[in-house]
Amino acid sequence: EAGVTQSPTHLIKTRGQQATLRCSPISGHTSVYWYQQALGLGLQFLLWYDEGEERNRGNFPPRFSGRQFPNYSSELNVNALELEDSALYLCASSSDRVSNQPQHFGDGTRLSIL
Amino acid sequence: AQSVSQHNHHVILSEAASLELGCNYSYGGTVNLFWYVQYPGQHLQLLLKYFSGDPLVKGIKGFEAEFIKSKFSFNLRKPSVQWSDTAEYFCAVNTNAGKSTFGDGTTLTVKP
Repeated sequence: EAGVTQSPTHLIKTRGQQATLRCSPISGHTSVYWYQQALGLGLQFLLWYDEGEERNRGNFPPRFSGRQFPNYSSELNVNALELEDSALYLCASSSDRVSNQPQHFGDGTRLSIL
Repeated sequence: AQSVSQHNHHVILSEAASLELGCNYSYGGTVNLFWYVQYPGQHLQLLLKYFSGDPLVKGIKGFEAEFIKSKFSFNLRKPSVQWSDTAEYFCAVNTNAGKSTFGDGTTLTVKP
């Protein structure tokens, strides 16, 4: 079974630019979660998508947005990039929206803002 | 707002020592609890989970955790650690609203 895949592995941008990060969940998984892991900090919940809909979001400004496609893959978009957006962005998927299902994580996209 | 607190940021043990990593959460409703582990160079993976039934749950590699509802705790234990247990450990709480909250993680270093 292929795991959660994320692309690109590393993304370098400058302040003010926009970044798009991609995630493909495990086959059959309908829920996709996005997290930000800044250096020295834990995972901060960003967004949760299930069946194409945004179901919940964390305490992040609106310039963090995303979507989920009919094939359940997902994009995270970050507009007007700021230096503090530099972090590892992790995507996870689970088999359904029931909260007792574990999440399966990808290797992450490291976003560096210069 | 829900939160998860992991008391130890860095734990250093010798092989065969016993391990207990603390995790407390704050949330008044029904929760599902998880411990995830990240070995060096690998992605996060599930260690064990609790959502109902026996509050003592067993996971992979000899790990177990006990849910104590009255203390809002879900501590991770292992009787005898090995060098290969060196990793970062994260406690996480899911609510029925689908929001996941992770602790800041505990780095475990096991000396051979």
